[in-house]
Amino acid sequence: GQQVMQIPQYQHVQEGEDFTTYCNSSTTLSNIQWYKQRPGGHPVFLIQLVKSGEVKKQKRLTFQFGEAKKNSSLHITATQTTDVGTYFCRYNQGGKLIFGQGTELSVKP
Amino acid sequence: DGGITQSPKYLFRKEGQNVTLSCEQNLNHDAMYWYRQDPGQGLRLIYYSQIVNDFQKGDIAEGYSVSREKKESFPLTVTSAQKNPTAFYLCASSITATGNTEAFFGQGTRLTVV
Repeated sequence: GQQVMQIPQYQHVQEGEDFTTYCNSSTTLSNIQWYKQRPGGHPVFLIQLVKSGEVKKQKRLTFQFGEAKKNSSLHITATQTTDVGTYFCRYNQGGKLIFGQGTELSVKP
Repeated sequence: DGGITQSPKYLFRKEGQNVTLSCEQNLNHDAMYWYRQDPGQGLRLIYYSQIVNDFQKGDIAEGYSVSREKKESFPLTVTSAQKNPTAFYLCASSITATGNTEAFFGQGTRLTVV
C-alpha cells in the first residue's frame, strides 16, 4: 500500500536559521497539502500543490512538489519564533485524507 | 460567522462511560472528518463522511461511532470499547471529499478519561 513518510520528526533551530521538512511517498500523489499547527492549536491550511515540479512561495515559506509527484518539501528561510509549531503534509490515500506524522519545529531566540 | 465548532473544549469522563463529542459546521461543506491526536503525535483518521447519511471508517475506527443525519453535524461517540480514549480530538470539514479542497478545523476537544 501507499507509504508516506514525513521527516524529520523534530527540528530545533536557532532563530535566523533555515528549516525544511519533507514528505516522501512510495507512490504518485494526486496532490499534497501543507498545514501548520501551533502549540495548543488546531491545524491551519497553508497551501496545496497539484502539478508536477510545482513551486509556490508565501513570504519566507517555499513549497515544492517533485517532478514524479512522490515528494514534497516545505522550506522556511530565516526562521522566526512565530514559525514554532508542527507542520503536516496531507494527502489522499484511496479516498481517505491522511496526514503525515508531522515535523515539530522549535526556534531558539 | 462561518466556521466549524466543537464542544466542549475539555471533557472529563469516568472509565467505562460512553461520551459524545459535538461537531457542527455552517460552511455548507459536504465532507466532514474526525481525527485523533496524541501528545507529540500526528493526526490519525477515525471516521469520515463524504456526504450526509454516509460515513466510512478511517484507520482507527475501533471503539468509536459516528452519525451524519444532518449536513452540518457529525458527532463522534467514544464508547467504552475504546481502550485508550484520552486524547485531543479534532473535527474538520471540506467542500468535497476529493482531497483537493482545503480542510477547516474546529478548536478541538481534549478528552480525559479517569
